[in-house]
Amino acid sequence: GGIITQTPKFLIGQEGQKLTLKCQQNFNHDTMYWYRQDSGKGLRLIYYSITENDLQKGDLSEGYDASREKKSSFSLTVTSAQKNEMAVFLCASSINRVGNTLYFGEGSRLIVV
Amino acid sequence: GDQVKQSPSALSLQEGTNSALRCNFSIATTTVQWFLQNPRGSLMNLFYLVPGTKENGRLKSTFNSKESYSTLHIRDAQLEDSGTYFCAAEDDSNYQLIWGSGTKLIIKP
Repeated sequence: GGIITQTPKFLIGQEGQKLTLKCQQNFNHDTMYWYRQDSGKGLRLIYYSITENDLQKGDLSEGYDASREKKSSFSLTVTSAQKNEMAVFLCASSINRVGNTLYFGEGSRLIVV
Repeated sequence: GDQVKQSPSALSLQEGTNSALRCNFSIATTTVQWFLQNPRGSLMNLFYLVPGTKENGRLKSTFNSKESYSTLHIRDAQLEDSGTYFCAAEDDSNYQLIWGSGTKLIIKP
């Protein structure tokens, strides 16, 4: 088995601030994902990465940057935090891009004050 | 319109009863996944399906690709089954995973 660790669990920042979320996986999976989930809603893909140093935009990439520094880690940066983007951010990984199930971290909640 | 449409959006069940959740697809897809998000927010994968049926304990899921739907059956519902159930289908045209908006299930004692 493996685990996906997201840090921090709660991220509190001011409006306009640049904020970064981190994700680590020890599954040795090739593909990693960042999703955003607004309260009571489904998941929307922000960025994904097929392998180390790869970056692909999802439907919701505007206002975000991502970085796949190494195979096991994938970080997401909110470039200028806004109050309307308070949500839970979920990191996931899968063996590779096509035809495999996703495993999720516990989520990071963004609070903008 | 919704490419992956889940129904119902919410459901309340008495402990010990059975129910079925459904996903209808308007995309060409050959794989479907079902997830449970518990009340604390953790997402757990339940099934990964190609066309056919899988069973795990009190849960059974079927994916009918010809008629573009998938179902998740819950037998003898328990309190710990409460949470939001999501289905997600892989779009054959671009391999993107398309998510439904979830079914919120509450099990009452």
